[in-house]
Amino acid sequence: GAGVSQSPRYKVTKRGQDVALRCDPISGHVSLYWYRQALGQGPEFLTYFNYEAQQDKSGLPNDRFSAERPEGSISTLTIQRTEQRDSAMYRCASSGQGKYNEQFFGPGTRLTVL
Amino acid sequence: DAKTTQPPSMDCAEGRAANLPCNHSTISGNEYVYWYRQIHSQGPQYIIHGLKNNETNEMASLIITEDRKSSTLILPHATLRDTAVYYCIVRGGWTNAGKSTFGDGTTLTVKP
Repeated sequence: GAGVSQSPRYKVTKRGQDVALRCDPISGHVSLYWYRQALGQGPEFLTYFNYEAQQDKSGLPNDRFSAERPEGSISTLTIQRTEQRDSAMYRCASSGQGKYNEQFFGPGTRLTVL
Repeated sequence: DAKTTQPPSMDCAEGRAANLPCNHSTISGNEYVYWYRQIHSQGPQYIIHGLKNNETNEMASLIITEDRKSSTLILPHATLRDTAVYYCIVRGGWTNAGKSTFGDGTTLTVKP
């Protein structure tokens, strides 16, 4: 595709429910990153993949958060038993084929936990 | 990743140059300086990056000090559409270089 896409763009859920956020990176990009962004703050790193391998998950807040990229392309970030503090913008980025190895960010998924 | 320090906010008059500073005193020898900006609720957008030489592209110029401990992003003729949050990041410039560590950036307001 032309850019990084994410779905859904908006997700409202009730506390305690599980949610799955999807990221479709730019075709051919090796690396895929997940960030979380609170209002008024910069993106906070969660985890990243090279191909299908999860290289760094040090930013995942706790074991309710997990991510996968089974075929080295699309990735899913799953949050189990959501809590109100999980409400944020979740952003995905990809990189690896650009001339400058810059990261290309998707539009984000706005998660609201009631 | 090295940590960066930026002023929280800056103003600039439309048509004038905007100079945004960044300190990265713990940068390692193989790390690059990247600049991104974020307009409203959009995702961050790449602007420019450099290792040790000054760089220029159609969007901006990047001046890196000789000791590489600080840099300045220059928007030569700021427009109202340049109002955004600007992030300075240090990161490996090679493929599979890993995460970017964003701070809170500098909110640049361009005024008419």
